[in-house]
Amino acid sequence: QQQVKQSPQSLIVQKGGISIINCAYENTAFDYFPWYQQFPGKGPALLIAIRPDVSEKKEGRFTISFNKSAKQFSLHIMDSQPGDSATYFCAASMKTGANNLFFGTGTRLTVIP
Amino acid sequence: NAGVTQTPKFRVLKTGQSMTLLCAQDMNHEYMYWYRQDPGMGLRLIHYSVGEGTTAKGEVPDGYNVSRLKKQNFLLGLESAAPSQTSVYFCASSYLQGQGYNEQFFGPGTRLTVL
Repeated sequence: QQQVKQSPQSLIVQKGGISIINCAYENTAFDYFPWYQQFPGKGPALLIAIRPDVSEKKEGRFTISFNKSAKQFSLHIMDSQPGDSATYFCAASMKTGANNLFFGTGTRLTVIP
Repeated sequence: NAGVTQTPKFRVLKTGQSMTLLCAQDMNHEYMYWYRQDPGMGLRLIHYSVGEGTTAKGEVPDGYNVSRLKKQNFLLGLESAAPSQTSVYFCASSYLQGQGYNEQFFGPGTRLTVL
C-alpha cells in the first residue's frame, strides 16, 4: 500500500498565487521528509527537506510545514511562477535499513501567467 | 561531473525479449537505486544497493534483476519483458549524510515500451 499519501493529483495556480501540496503518512518511524521537483523529461531533484524536530522550514519561496501529531506535512510555494510548473513528489524515510525513500504519487503543478 | 547517467534513453522491446539498463555515477556514492515511474503511482523502488557487490529488493522487484559489480555502475536487467514493464525507469545514487538524511541524485530516465 502507499506509505505516503499525496494530494491533490493536479493543481492550477495563477502567477503570484500560493501553491499548497499536502502529504500524510502512517509510519511513525519516518524521520526525514524531502520534497522532489521534476520537470518534464528530467529526473526528480531534491527541492527542500525537513526533519520532524522542527515544524517549519523555509528556503526562498518554498516552505515545508510539518505537523508531527497529525502525521502530515505540506509544501507551500509562495508567489508561484510559471517556471515552478513541474511535478512535485513528497517522500519519507527512516534511519534504519538503507534509508530508502517512500514517495507519494506526485502533484502536477501548472502556474498560468 | 556528469552526475548520474543512464543508457539507453529510449527502448522498444517485444514481449519476451531481454535487455539491460545501465546506470553510472561519478560521485563516488555508496548507495544506488532503481525506480520505475508510472502515471498516478509515483516512484516505486525496484532494487537497491548499499555498496559494491551488494543488492537488495525494493517494493516491486518481480521480473527484474540487478548487479553492482563496480561501485560506479548499477545494472537493471529484464530477462523476459512483459507489457506491464512499460514504464520510465530512473536510477539514483546517494551517500549517507548522517542521521538518516538521504539526498538522492537521479539520472534522466529511460523510457521503455514493451509491445
